[in-house]
Amino acid sequence: ETGVTQTPRHLVMGMTNKKSLKCEQHLGHNAMYWYKQSAKKPLELMFVYNFKEQTENNSVPSRFSPECPNSSHLFLHLHTLQPEDSALYLCASSQLAEGPSSYNEQFFGPGTRLTVL
Amino acid sequence: KNQVEQSPQSLIILEGKNCTLQCNYTVSPFSNLRWYKQDTGRGPVSLTIMTFSENTKSNGRYTATLDADTKQSSLHITASQLSDSASYICVGNVTSAGNMLTFGGGTRLMVKP
Repeated sequence: ETGVTQTPRHLVMGMTNKKSLKCEQHLGHNAMYWYKQSAKKPLELMFVYNFKEQTENNSVPSRFSPECPNSSHLFLHLHTLQPEDSALYLCASSQLAEGPSSYNEQFFGPGTRLTVL
Repeated sequence: KNQVEQSPQSLIILEGKNCTLQCNYTVSPFSNLRWYKQDTGRGPVSLTIMTFSENTKSNGRYTATLDADTKQSSLHITASQLSDSASYICVGNVTSAGNMLTFGGGTRLMVKP
């Protein structure tokens, strides 16, 4: 295991539902990420949190709302989703460090398979 | 625009055979290039990370190469096993301070007995 856990692993929801995805990292990292992976498409970065502050929002629709209460936990709140939002949602964490020799390797969780009906 | 392109899109080989996956990248300013393995329904797991000064790096039966001049990378798998069946994703890192990654579409490898 990578040290990053996600719950639930599978989620089916209607377009009018409200649900939340949870991510927890046990690695002591200072950055966390949400990615979307649709079928036959590259991973798309959604949000980045550095030291609990959101530093990236890649033009994500407002029906996706992230929350980072501390450096170990990350949530993605979902409401009024569309069928095209069905995808694998991946959380990742890394320890950011300055300098050309730093790899800033990201560790991914197992993902939440989301189906919107 | 930063881009990472991989070929082939899919590949079928017999168990025990070798194979090579290709990656072309246009990532600037370039920091490092990574290869990830992603099993179906799971998150990606890092195989190798190389900076521009590294030409090759191995991880068991996986060997990655990097040519920073031609902006090409390859992942060579030796003596393939059934458990190697997965998607292999090439990823370019724009900068070491910030960690913005550009993902390729992946190569879907199937190893048959």
